[in-house]
Amino acid sequence: GNSVTQMEGPVTLSEEAFLTINCTYTATGYPSLFWYVQYPGEGLQLLLKATKADDKGSNKGFEATYRKETTSFHLEKGSVQVSDSAVYFCALSHQAGTALIFGKGTTLSVSS
Amino acid sequence: DTAVSQTPKYLVTQMGNDKSIKCEQNLGHDTMYWYKQDSKKFLKIMFSYNNKELIINETVPNRFSPKSPDKAHLNLHINSLELGDSAVYFCASSSGGGTYEQYFGPGTRLTVT
Repeated sequence: GNSVTQMEGPVTLSEEAFLTINCTYTATGYPSLFWYVQYPGEGLQLLLKATKADDKGSNKGFEATYRKETTSFHLEKGSVQVSDSAVYFCALSHQAGTALIFGKGTTLSVSS
Repeated sequence: DTAVSQTPKYLVTQMGNDKSIKCEQNLGHDTMYWYKQDSKKFLKIMFSYNNKELIINETVPNRFSPKSPDKAHLNLHINSLELGDSAVYFCASSSGGGTYEQYFGPGTRLTVT
């Protein structure tokens, strides 16, 4: 079946450090891939997405590239800020109108 | 200009009670969803509706009953609440036409005592 695996957290970084959160997936065909972010006490916000192989999604300094050969969609940011502290979820969807399948989430804590 | 809204944000109730959570979206989307987030932050689909028709009905106790009066609203009614129902419940919506992303509400934190 379809599944998403994320690196275990928490990830603790100092401000301006480089961030990578690993995400790999198992799926048949070509799913769409997403990163969502959940700030403390809030709902999930779509951070970025990619719909086909080699697409790069980007938003707010975050980037992720859809790698079909390694079934990966790793999230990166060159210089994190304290305000980036949140839980990050990798997710996939096979078809419009179907459920998102989420990874377990990775908690990021950035200190000044 | 809230896109997906839920009420209430917090719900504290006793075991055995019946409660409802309401969700509304003003995005003009055709499909709405309920997800449950457990204490370890894991998110899992419960239900989805497309134009008021039930599409996804995961293995959820039949104490949970979704209702969609129109395509902008999806409510969740829970009967005979149990301790294990304590979680955060998120409503989401998406449009059709090949776009896959979903937009989430702020969540309802349900605590059963």
